[in-house]
Parts: sequence; C-alpha cells; structure tokens
Amino acid sequence: NAGVTQTPKFQVLKTGQSMTLQCAQDMNHNSMYWYRQDPGMGLRLIYYSASEGTTDKGEVPNGYNVSRLNKREFSLRLESAAPSQTSVYFCASSGRSLFGTGVRFVDIQYFGAGTRLSVL
Amino acid sequence: DQQVKQNSPSLSVQEGRISILNCDYTNSMFDYFLWYKKYPAEGPTFLISISSIKDKNEDGRFTVFLNKSAKHLSLHIVPSQPGDSAVYFCAASAHPPPIIIQGAQKLVFGQGTRLTINP
Repeated sequence: NAGVTQTPKFQVLKTGQSMTLQCAQDMNHNSMYWYRQDPGMGLRLIYYSASEGTTDKGEVPNGYNVSRLNKREFSLRLESAAPSQTSVYFCASSGRSLFGTGVRFVDIQYFGAGTRLSVL
Repeated sequence: DQQVKQNSPSLSVQEGRISILNCDYTNSMFDYFLWYKKYPAEGPTFLISISSIKDKNEDGRFTVFLNKSAKHLSLHIVPSQPGDSAVYFCAASAHPPPIIIQGAQKLVFGQGTRLTINP
C-alpha cells in the first residue's frame, strides 16, 4: 500500500549541478503535481500534469522542468541548481475518493513524504 | 500576493478542549476548500473539505465552517487529542473537477498553523 513514493529523501547539491527528483504513484490517478514548501510560505505549486502526456506550469515554475513518463511516474528536474531552490519538495497525485461516512466523493490529493534539497 | 492566509503560525490547546484553526482567502473565485494535516518528515494528508454550496461539513471530531461573505473558513477539532498535534494547512481551489470528468485540481495553500495539544 505504497501510495506516492518520492526519491531521494535527502539531497545536497552545489550551485550549478543538476538533478532529477523521482515520483511514482500506484493509485491509478490521472493527475500528478509537484510542490515546494518553504518556511512561512505554505506549499506552492511548481508544475502539474492533468493526465498522461500533458504538463502545465503552476505558480513557481522557473528553474524547473518536468516529465510525465507514464501514468505512474512524474519527475522534476533542476537543470542548474541555485541556492534559492533549497526547499522541501512534495509530489502528489489526485483522484476521486469515497471518504467519511455515507456516499460522498471528494477530490483528494495524496502526497509523498517529500525530498529535502539543499543547494550550497 | 497571498491568496490564502493563515494568520496564526501556532496554537496551543489543552487536551479535551476545542481547537479552532482559522483561514482567510481573497480570491472570490475559490469555491472548494480543504484542510490538510502534516506531521514532521511526512507529506500532508487530507483531513476534510467543503464546497461553497455548504456552510458546514462535519466528520467525526472535525468540523469545517465556511463564511463566504467574510471569505473565511475555520476548522474545529472537538475534543482535541495529543495525536492532533501537527501542522494544519488550509487550501482552496476554483472550480473543482466536474463529477464525471476528473482533472487536475490546482490548490492554493495557506502558510500553515502548528497546533500543539498539551496533556
């Protein structure tokens, strides 16, 4: 019962290095998302993919690229890391779920455990 | 421009009492609201949601109230338990995916409120 799996959990980069954050979900969800969380800022949407084969920019896309490899996997790439990209990154996927008592469907985003990235 | 604001960074409540977490929004296009709970070193988990056609939604110990005229929502936890200690985020979206067609839901999150339940 894995849900959303992110790798790696921690990473330290030097300025200018590149890396790819991996995300996979096993819930057969169509939509996937990448967020970053910074102190005092909440979670901000970087990119999202409404369905396999499509990607769109979120609130803070500069400096990032994404690939929706297949329905399960959505990766985030930093081509040339900068100290301003030091953050905790969360991947999420969404689907409609039966929740609570009775017959009630809500749209829920399920999150991975996060990747803590430091850029020196 | 912060469209969703949680003005209290932290809140401390005694076990068994009511916890009230508040959230304000500025975008009148938001019509679907959610609360997420986050423990350290974990991702946020969904707690409860409310659509703008309702002003209250209840699920066990958790109740969310929505005041559209004031652009304000609140989460009530009664009674509060030690396991409720976490960071709570409110989130909002405009036009959730229609019932038949599922699509991406772009959420805007508040900054979070750290709730501590004291024994």
